[in-house]
Amino acid sequence: GQNIDQPTEMTATEGAIVQINCTYQTSGFNGLFWYQQHAGEAPTFLSYNVLDGLEEKGRFSSFLSRSKGYSYLLLKELQMKDSASYLCAVLSYNTDKLIFGTGTRLQVFP
Amino acid sequence: GAGVSQSPSNKVTEKGKDVELRCDPISGHTALYWYRQSLGQGLEFLIYFQGNSAPDKSGLPSDRFSAERTGGSVSTLTIQRTQQEDSAVYLCASSSGLAGSAEQFFGPGTRLTVL
Repeated sequence: GQNIDQPTEMTATEGAIVQINCTYQTSGFNGLFWYQQHAGEAPTFLSYNVLDGLEEKGRFSSFLSRSKGYSYLLLKELQMKDSASYLCAVLSYNTDKLIFGTGTRLQVFP
Repeated sequence: GAGVSQSPSNKVTEKGKDVELRCDPISGHTALYWYRQSLGQGLEFLIYFQGNSAPDKSGLPSDRFSAERTGGSVSTLTIQRTQQEDSAVYLCASSSGLAGSAEQFFGPGTRLTVL
């Protein structure tokens, strides 16, 4: 079966750092994606991890541990525009099928 | 085109009517996906095309839902005899289908409201 868990909501302060966790259980794993989705808009790509370790891209970093079925998205120097939902998605082996978690709604306060 | 486009952007229909949603993927992308997102929920996978064939139809909620893709490009998702629970945003995404390029690019979605 497939199961992806992430917190439903998080809050943080402008300028701070926030870590959004994602745990997964899948029958086949071929990589993990993080997408950002602002209210009323389509998801946009943030990161893709297929090997263990940390991938850094500007203010955003994503970490993967395949043995633990665990990933996190780290957002630094938070800005108000970072208020959005962050979707964790696992790519199914052989099918290119993305299984999404329900998303974490992040609210950044001044 | 520059990105994935979908039409219509909004569709309001009466219960029992059929609707057709259209997706134009990024030019050259061989893989195309349909998802559904209900209010406040995550994305629910519906169907996936590689070229014109659909190797995975496991996500279609019922036999009222069908999809096709012609010419390896445009795809249509058809919902027959719509029900109120079909109300959602229907998102289309495409990817190049190349190994190591699994990123999916999403269209703006079609917001379907069934009255």
